[in-house]
Amino acid sequence: GNSVTQMEGPVTLSEEAFLTINCTYTATGYPSLFWYVQYPGEGLQLLLKATKADDKGSNKGFEATYRKETTSFHLEKGSVQVSDSAVYFCALRRRMRFGAGTRLTVKP
Amino acid sequence: NAGVTQTPKFRVLKTGQSMTLLCAQDMNHEYMYWYRQDPGMGLRLIHYSVGEGTTAKGEVPDGYNVSRLKKQNFLLGLESAAPSQTSVYFCASSFYPGPADTQYFGPGTRLTVL
Repeated sequence: GNSVTQMEGPVTLSEEAFLTINCTYTATGYPSLFWYVQYPGEGLQLLLKATKADDKGSNKGFEATYRKETTSFHLEKGSVQVSDSAVYFCALRRRMRFGAGTRLTVKP
Repeated sequence: NAGVTQTPKFRVLKTGQSMTLLCAQDMNHEYMYWYRQDPGMGLRLIHYSVGEGTTAKGEVPDGYNVSRLKKQNFLLGLESAAPSQTSVYFCASSFYPGPADTQYFGPGTRLTVL
């Protein structure tokens, strides 16, 4: 069946460090892929998405590229800020499967 | 524009009690969803609706019922609560379930069943 495997956290980084959160998926065909972010005490918000192979989604300095050869959609940011502290979820469109979430804490 | 709202924000129940969670959206979305979020498991789809008067089962529907009598509202019911239903419940809506549709989430309801 369709599933998403996400890098386990928590992840703690210093401000301005480089961020990578790994996400791989199992699915039939080529579903759309998403990254959602959940700030403390809030619901999930769409961060970025990609709808087909080799597409790159980007938003707020975050990027992720849809790689069908490695079935991956890793999230990256070149320089994280304290305000990026949140839980990040990778998801795929077929019946909207979510990964377990990765908690990111950025320290000043 | 309030987006997606959920009522209540917190609730504590005793085993066997019943309750209804209300989700409302003001974006005229056709599709609505109920998820539960448990530590280490991400979000799992409980039930969803593709339009007023319709409902369908998701990944973990047992122990829950839903109704969509009005397009803007989606209710989640627990007839006889169990401790295993302790979780954070999120409602979401989307305009249509196309390949790139975005789901908009409510702030969540934290439910504890004792």
